[in-house]
Amino acid sequence: EAQVTQNPRYLITVTGKKLTVTCSQNMNHEYMSWYRQDPGLGLRQIYYSMNVEATDKGDVPEGYKVSRKEKRNFPLILESPSPNQTSLYFCASSLIGKGRDTQYFGPGTRLTVL
Amino acid sequence: AQKITQTQPGMFVQEKEAVTLDCTYDTSDPSYGLFWYKQPSSGEMIFLIYQGSYDQQNATEGRYSLNFQKARKSANLVISASQLGDSAMYFCAMNEGGSEKLVFGKGTKLTVNP
Repeated sequence: EAQVTQNPRYLITVTGKKLTVTCSQNMNHEYMSWYRQDPGLGLRQIYYSMNVEATDKGDVPEGYKVSRKEKRNFPLILESPSPNQTSLYFCASSLIGKGRDTQYFGPGTRLTVL
Repeated sequence: AQKITQTQPGMFVQEKEAVTLDCTYDTSDPSYGLFWYKQPSSGEMIFLIYQGSYDQQNATEGRYSLNFQKARKSANLVISASQLGDSAMYFCAMNEGGSEKLVFGKGTKLTVNP
């Protein structure tokens, strides 16, 4: 089954404790990205990757890091989480340049930083 | 300036009736794509429908249709014969210029009443 998986689905942590949210897709997609969703703001892109070892900032990259060492995986790293990073996070993937090809979203990770 | 505007924070509709969710967009790029996603209370993002800027006909997917008015820069979602399971948040999104990045509106919460 074609899918994007994220782990963990729920996480409560404390300020300053490094954490990683994993994202994996099984569709051989080149493009992967992370979004955060906050009430009243919709989804905003954090980082994206066009392929292995090719990552770039989205609209709200501050406080986040990513890596793309393998095509299927795109982890989101919070080196020193803060309460304003409490949010719902989505990983998404798609093929590049396919016009109407939609982005496939993971199930979301609900993060609370105390 | 917002690229995607959804002016209806909340909408109510009676079961079996049709409902239109509004979306206007702003872009100077002649090549763009417009998407609608549904987000039920469980949180996942479900792709509903896509319209390309060069598509001559309005997109349809089952009970969903997209009323695309290019000159007005609007891409309204029409849901026919509403069902209780249609109650959810609905997001309009756009990508432009061949980019895979999606820019989202703030969403509309639809409630279907029995």
